Amino acid sequence: EAQVTQNPRYLITVTGKKLTVTCSQNMNHEYMSWYRQDPGLGLRQIYYSMNVEVTDKGDVPEGYKVSRKEKRNFPLILESPSPNQTSLYFCASSSNRDRRAYEQYFGPGTRLTVT
Amino acid sequence: RKEVEQDPGPFNVPEGATVAFNCTYSNSASQSFFWYRQDCRKEPKLLMSVYSSGNEDGRFTAQLNRASQYISLLIRDSKLSDSATYLCVVPYKAAGNKLTFGGGTRVLVKP
Repeated sequence: EAQVTQNPRYLITVTGKKLTVTCSQNMNHEYMSWYRQDPGLGLRQIYYSMNVEVTDKGDVPEGYKVSRKEKRNFPLILESPSPNQTSLYFCASSSNRDRRAYEQYFGPGTRLTVT
Repeated sequence: RKEVEQDPGPFNVPEGATVAFNCTYSNSASQSFFWYRQDCRKEPKLLMSVYSSGNEDGRFTAQLNRASQYISLLIRDSKLSDSATYLCVVPYKAAGNKLTFGGGTRVLVKP
């Protein structure tokens, strides 16, 4: 089954404790991206990757890091989480080919609470 | 002006009725548009793509008005299962597959 998986699905942590949210896709997609979704602000892009070893900032990259060492994985790292990073996070992937580049497949989401 | 704007709703729709709502976009160079559906606390899923003047898929019809820079989504014969938030999405190719999401329009279909 074609899918994007994220782990953990739910996480409650404390300020300053480093954490990683994993994202993996089995569709051989070149493009992967992280979004956060907050009430009233919609979906906002954090970081994206056009292919292995290629990453770039989205609209709200501050406080986050990513890496793309393998095609299938795109982890999101919060080095020192703060309460304003409490949010619902989605990973997404798509092909880089033509119009399929914009047809993104989303993971189930990770609900993060930072106290 | 926001890049992509939607009426947040909610649109309360009787089961079996037709509902339509719009999405306005600011970038006149945009060539393709998408509607994603998002159920409460779930991931967005692609509903329809619009590459020319419009698209139709069963009970769903999307239309593009380039002159006025908006796209619309029409749902005919609404089902209870159509209750969701509908996200309008406009890509900006210059920024590498970047998608800009509207805030979403919430639709509630009631018996």
